Amino acid sequence: DAKTTQPNSMESNEEEPVHLPCNHSTISGTDYIHWYRQLPSQGPEYVIHGLTSNVNNRMASLAIAEDRKSSTLILHRATLRDAAVYYCILRPSGGSARQLTFGSGTQLTVLP
Amino acid sequence: GAVVSQHPSRVICKSGTSVKIECRSLDFQATTMFWYRQFPKQSLMLMATSNEGSKATYEQGVEKDKFLINHASLTLSTLTVTSAHPEDSSFYICSAPDRGSGNTIYFGEGSWLTVV
Repeated sequence: DAKTTQPNSMESNEEEPVHLPCNHSTISGTDYIHWYRQLPSQGPEYVIHGLTSNVNNRMASLAIAEDRKSSTLILHRATLRDAAVYYCILRPSGGSARQLTFGSGTQLTVLP
Repeated sequence: GAVVSQHPSRVICKSGTSVKIECRSLDFQATTMFWYRQFPKQSLMLMATSNEGSKATYEQGVEKDKFLINHASLTLSTLTVTSAHPEDSSFYICSAPDRGSGNTIYFGEGSWLTVV
């Protein structure tokens, strides 16, 4: 599976936007870009995913570079509850049997 | 999103005993479920893929006789840690893809196992 690279940690101030970067230079044409986040002592929570076009949902926005070699998860207004480890994961298309391979993720700290 | 539930959320067992963790898809059917293990301050590591009606597929280095997986129905997979030892103490997490949402994978809350 293609690898992703994320910063180990980032800080943000409460109520400000947060841009979490992810590099995936070896992405293949059929790889979807998924983002999950994990709060302490909880299972990962689905945030958003996309293939080529930018995506928005109630939790966040996903901006995908034109060459798809990088993407950015955008939290429009960080809250203290957004403090978590954020994982950027590439998942090949091909049905339900394809699992997620987790990297080390980005630990987001939100400062009050 | 779809809901995956695990039980128990926390369990303490004595060394040498076995413990079972259940993973249920509450509002969708899952022919496949995934089991992960996570040690403190580390990322999730895939242990095995559970397949309804057939044998589980284990990742390299995971002992299939120690971590028994049974996927008896389209909404339930169980992980049994047999002859548990303190080094098996970890956070165990299951997940399942929901076909209704394009095979998006949803995770359970996780189960903390402590072996004393």
